[in-house]
Amino acid sequence: QITLKESGPTLVKPTQTLTLTCTFSGFSLSSGGVGVGWIRQPPGKALEWLALIYWNDDKRYRPSLKSRLTITKDTSKNQVVLTMTNMDPVDTATYYCAHRRDFNYYFGYWGQGALVTVSS
Amino acid sequence: QSALTQPRSVSGSPGQSVTISCTGTSSDVGNYNYVSWYQQHPGKAPKVMIYDVSKRPSGVPDRFSGSKSGNTASLTISGLQAEDEADYYCCSYAGGYTFDVFGTGTEVTVL
Repeated sequence: QITLKESGPTLVKPTQTLTLTCTFSGFSLSSGGVGVGWIRQPPGKALEWLALIYWNDDKRYRPSLKSRLTITKDTSKNQVVLTMTNMDPVDTATYYCAHRRDFNYYFGYWGQGALVTVSS
Repeated sequence: QSALTQPRSVSGSPGQSVTISCTGTSSDVGNYNYVSWYQQHPGKAPKVMIYDVSKRPSGVPDRFSGSKSGNTASLTISGLQAEDEADYYCCSYAGGYTFDVFGTGTEVTVL
């Protein structure tokens, strides 16, 4: 059974760096064919794909946010970490992590989401 | 990297069919058969309903079907049920640089 769960601060100040952790079970990022992505959703708005990391450390980023995003994995802890620098109120959103198989172009399993508010 | 265009809302009575369109470009929807559809109930995480344009994951009712023509993909819900009331998002693979693009989202209301 595959499960994912996001954790991190619920409130960050403008200009600060956000660090979110996705802790998962039911699969390993050290084995082939697996990826974990991050997707966010501002309140009342649409989903927005942010980043993806594969088992082989191949990383992809949303082009418009590439300079602010970093995605890493810790296979020993079954975790994927997303950092976003220079946070702004427009980055207020629910942040989801999700599982994806290599050569599968969809997210089959999602975490419950973590609401992050950016405010001074 | 513009979002795919979906109608803001669609509605139908129980038992009827509704179709949601998802319009992209020749760089995403039109270039890859990798369109997926997600259902999202309020306060919940999205759930994949269709992948690779028309494939249904195990457990998704066959009332949900997908198709594509040119730069536009579509999700059809046949035999609409009360529990189908939710937001629906399309998503298309867009190549190695842009990767994934989501749609603007459609609210489905069961009258």
